[in-house]
Amino acid sequence: KNEVEQSPQNLTAQEGEFITINCSYSVGISALHWLQQHPGGGIVSLFMLSSGKKKHGRLIATINIQEKHSSLHITASHPRDSAVYICAVRGATNAGKSTFGDGTTLTVKP
Amino acid sequence: SAVISQKPSRDICQRGTSLTIQCQVDSQVTMMFWYRQQPGQSLTLIATANQGSEATYESGFVIDKFPISRPNLTFSTLTVSNMSPEDSSIYLCSVGDGTWGYTFGSGTRLTVV
Repeated sequence: KNEVEQSPQNLTAQEGEFITINCSYSVGISALHWLQQHPGGGIVSLFMLSSGKKKHGRLIATINIQEKHSSLHITASHPRDSAVYICAVRGATNAGKSTFGDGTTLTVKP
Repeated sequence: SAVISQKPSRDICQRGTSLTIQCQVDSQVTMMFWYRQQPGQSLTLIATANQGSEATYESGFVIDKFPISRPNLTFSTLTVSNMSPEDSSIYLCSVGDGTWGYTFGSGTRLTVV
């Protein structure tokens, strides 16, 4: 079992739909990171969380430390949101090494 | 946050050759990280590059295969040596705080034929 599990693996939505991507982890962490990877391979940092909730434009990220779970929400989805979304955690131990989820491939159709 | 320029963006290389990937950062950073993303998989940390000292490699990665240079606080290179088709991946550099990177380069998509 991976230390970081994302669901769903693939997600197709219609433009305008509300999107939720989930991330569960099994280790103690000091921070969790949501990343967006575009088809060309480049990666953009969306959020870094250690507690609570963060919002940036149409993106919202939440984390529940007790439940070891985080969600990334996209409101009013748009085809340009189509990308791979990756959850990564920074360990509270093991020299703070990072572990990456396998990613969720989101396709938003017009 | 820092801006990273990574080159080349993609390359197709012959088996047995080597490719050097460059990352230039627009500010001085202590730690730079090199990642590999094999097809259909997530990111795996190759090594952490510190200026003025040898890079620290993760389990499964060795300096002879992935030599890294870090001549100053704004630049690093990763060389993929004696390439085989199994080395076909996206390679990314990253900078951040002392334990992980959170600003990434645009990636180098390598295909070995």
